Amino acid sequence: DGGITQSPKYLFRKEGQNVTLSCEQNLNHDAMYWYRQDPGQGLRLIYYSQIVNDFQKGDIAEGYSVSREKKESFPLTVTSAQKNPTAFYLCASTDRITDTQYFGPGTRLTVL
Amino acid sequence: KNEVEQSPQNLTAQEGEFITINCSYSVGISALHWLQQHPGGGIVSLFMLSSGKKKHGRLIATINIQEKHSSLHITASHPRDSAVYICAVRSTTSGTYKYIFGTGTRLKVLA
Repeated sequence: DGGITQSPKYLFRKEGQNVTLSCEQNLNHDAMYWYRQDPGQGLRLIYYSQIVNDFQKGDIAEGYSVSREKKESFPLTVTSAQKNPTAFYLCASTDRITDTQYFGPGTRLTVL
Repeated sequence: KNEVEQSPQNLTAQEGEFITINCSYSVGISALHWLQQHPGGGIVSLFMLSSGKKKHGRLIATINIQEKHSSLHITASHPRDSAVYICAVRSTTSGTYKYIFGTGTRLKVLA
């Protein structure tokens, strides 16, 4: 089955530690995204990548980093510079032919 | 003011009722999407609209480009329709494949 996987579903980290969230897709999509969702707010774009080895900052990139070494993978690192990292993180990819976004199940990160 | 506004924010309905969720936007768009987010957090795409109307089962989505407004209708609502419904637009100025999201409408359908 094609889709997007994110792991883990729940993640707990101590303040000051970097943490990497995994996102893998087997849909053969070029474009991939990382969003952050907080209560009462719309999804906010952290980073996006339109092709392998290329990515751009979104609206709230500070304190985050990404890589796109393979088409299938777009990991997000939440660094200690991110002031309020506790949130629900969603990875997505876009089918450019149908302009449909496919979302992963999300990772809920809690920083203690 | 958000570029994508949804109303209402919360909606409670009785099973069988006809439901309407509204989305207004203030930017030029090339497409509008309706998404559904279930309590577990996963999001699925319901519709992509660039004009007119689309129907899938009990769901109907319409868009009026001149009015910058879209509606999502659910006919014969059912408790399994309980979810957060999110409107998202692909702006013509925000970059080729960047999206702007509304804050969502939380729908609860009671049996």
